[in-house]
Amino acid sequence: SAVISQKPSRDICQRGTSLTIQCQVDSQVTMMFWYRQQPGQSLTLIATANQGSEATYESGFVIDKFPISRPNLTFSTLTVSNMSPEDSSIYLCSFEAGGLDNEQFFGPGTRLTVL
Amino acid sequence: RKEVEQDPGPFNVPEGATVAFNCTYSNSASQSFFWYRQDCRKEPKLLMSVYSSGNEDGRFTAQLNRASQYISLLIRDSKLSDSATYLCVVNRNTGGFKTIFGAGTRLFVKA
Repeated sequence: SAVISQKPSRDICQRGTSLTIQCQVDSQVTMMFWYRQQPGQSLTLIATANQGSEATYESGFVIDKFPISRPNLTFSTLTVSNMSPEDSSIYLCSFEAGGLDNEQFFGPGTRLTVL
Repeated sequence: RKEVEQDPGPFNVPEGATVAFNCTYSNSASQSFFWYRQDCRKEPKLLMSVYSSGNEDGRFTAQLNRASQYISLLIRDSKLSDSATYLCVVNRNTGGFKTIFGAGTRLFVKA
């Protein structure tokens, strides 16, 4: 199966700053997603990253706070803007394998701490 | 009520034990079902897909009951390395494709 990577793997940031997380898949995939996982919680979908058009955001997430780019079928970025301590979380990208079951495979995650 | 609900755990079992996890989902239009495993401070990894006919992979058996909207995972002969959080995951395509994650069940296998 395709290999998916993220960077940075972790970061510690000051409040009010922004961080851009990169996600790279080693083959072309149709569907890419961004999730957040807060400590002790399960995964919450932030948005679906659409190639060539604006991302589709879930309820509670907005483009101004979490702008997403998807310039091609192998790459996406998520920016966490104007960060506050509440944004401290693990951010994960994933892609859908495209098989009959539409299973997803996840990147290793970016652990963000906002001071 | 959450769309995907799991036993909260944690489950503490000795090595060699058999342990069963349960999961229920509320949307009858759900189409595909999975168990993922997540180790501490790691990303979720697909353990197995779940089918109505049941599927087995070594010590792991998964079962789906569509009528009851119930999914199970059975682990036989537990190993220390099975200690992890097990996530029940459901895909549906109503109002757009969406993947729903359960909150996870934590398993501790002890020597």
